[in-house]
Amino acid sequence: QSALTQPASVSGSPGQSITISCTGTSSDVGGHNYVSWYQQRPGKAPKLMIYDVSNRPSGVSDRFSGSKSGNTASLTISGLQAEDEADYYCSSYTSSSTRVFGGGTKLTVL
Amino acid sequence: QVQLVESGGGVVQPGGSLRLSCAASGFTFSSYGMHWVRQAPGKGLEWVAFIRYDGSNKYYADSVKGRFTISRDNSKSTLYLQMNSLRPEDTAVYYCAKEYPYYFDYWGQGTLVTVSS
Repeated sequence: QSALTQPASVSGSPGQSITISCTGTSSDVGGHNYVSWYQQRPGKAPKLMIYDVSNRPSGVSDRFSGSKSGNTASLTISGLQAEDEADYYCSSYTSSSTRVFGGGTKLTVL
Repeated sequence: QVQLVESGGGVVQPGGSLRLSCAASGFTFSSYGMHWVRQAPGKGLEWVAFIRYDGSNKYYADSVKGRFTISRDNSKSTLYLQMNSLRPEDTAVYYCAKEYPYYFDYWGQGTLVTVSS
């Protein structure tokens, strides 16, 4: 049950696009289309942003998009806004029917 | 609207026990699997345990297997986490989360567990 690998931090200027990667194995990210992404602001509970690799829940801006290639999933945020500054976590279903999170990525909007 | 409210956190000595509860409302609790997820201070999210909608199957992270037990009472729309043999590294905010296969669509606000002498 090793955590998925995410970059510790990413940054971008308002209006730019950034991508956060999430690397796992064939037993989790690569083996199932059940990758999800969560936004967490300080002191708050996580919020679902993307599910099943690339689907957006209602109410989430279309500036957020997800994709996957092999054992690596990605979250892209386009048209960066100050309000996007937060921690982002990926998660995957695993072949053992458990779940695993990434270590988290701190997004800074410059 | 969906509400998940955790309770039962507090300070406990190493080796001690604690039971967390998560009261659910706003959805048909007995139709959905439920999770516990924790977050140590200043650290990332860690999945802890999952229980299927009817309690028939339970899954645990290796870090808590044999020490923690997840359970549910569908008649009370309540999820539980019995934590035994607690260690300082179990110190964290514990969140309950509703499962919509295979992601967490709603989260509670969390309850803090501190394991310290």
